[in-house]
Amino acid sequence: EAQVTQNPRYLITVTGKKLTVTCSQNMNHEYMSWYRQDPGLGLRQIYYSMNVEVTDKGDVPEGYKVSRKEKRNFPLILESPSPNQTSLYFCASSYWGSTDTQYFGPGTRLTVL
Amino acid sequence: AQSVTQLDSQVPVFEEAPVELRCNYSSSVSVYLFWYVQYPNQGLQLLLKYLSGSTLVKGINGFEAEFNKSQTSFHLRKPSVHISDTAEYFCAVGGSQGNLIFGKGTKLSVKP
Repeated sequence: EAQVTQNPRYLITVTGKKLTVTCSQNMNHEYMSWYRQDPGLGLRQIYYSMNVEVTDKGDVPEGYKVSRKEKRNFPLILESPSPNQTSLYFCASSYWGSTDTQYFGPGTRLTVL
Repeated sequence: AQSVTQLDSQVPVFEEAPVELRCNYSSSVSVYLFWYVQYPNQGLQLLLKYLSGSTLVKGINGFEAEFNKSQTSFHLRKPSVHISDTAEYFCAVGGSQGNLIFGKGTKLSVKP
């Protein structure tokens, strides 16, 4: 089954404790990205990747890191989480970006205390 | 800069009634428009998209949208809604970085 998976689905952590949210897709997609969803703000892009070893900032990259060492995986790293990063995070993938259907993972709900 | 405005944050409607969810966009480049749906506690899934060609686009679950360049709009419609259509709907425009620029969402609530 074609899908985007994210882990964990739910995470409660404390300020400053490094964490990684994993994202994996099995569709051989070139393009992957991370969004955060906040009430009343819709979804905003954090980082994106056009291909292996190619990543770039989206609209709200501060406090986040990403890497793309393999085509299928695109982890999101919060080196020192803060309460304002409490949000719902989605990973998405597609063959070539905005003209193609983007497939979304189920989401990761992160709470930073 | 590209942007999307969804004119209604919440739309309540009775079952079997028609519904229109409004979306206006701003873009200085080629326009690619999308509607995504998010059911409770799930990720987003594509309803329909406009890339070029016919301005009336049909999607899944009986939804359709019309691209209107002069009005810069891409409103979503369904002639008869079901309880199962209760969800949040997002309009998006394709960005220059390959990303999607989303509106703030419209919560559709279908009542029996």
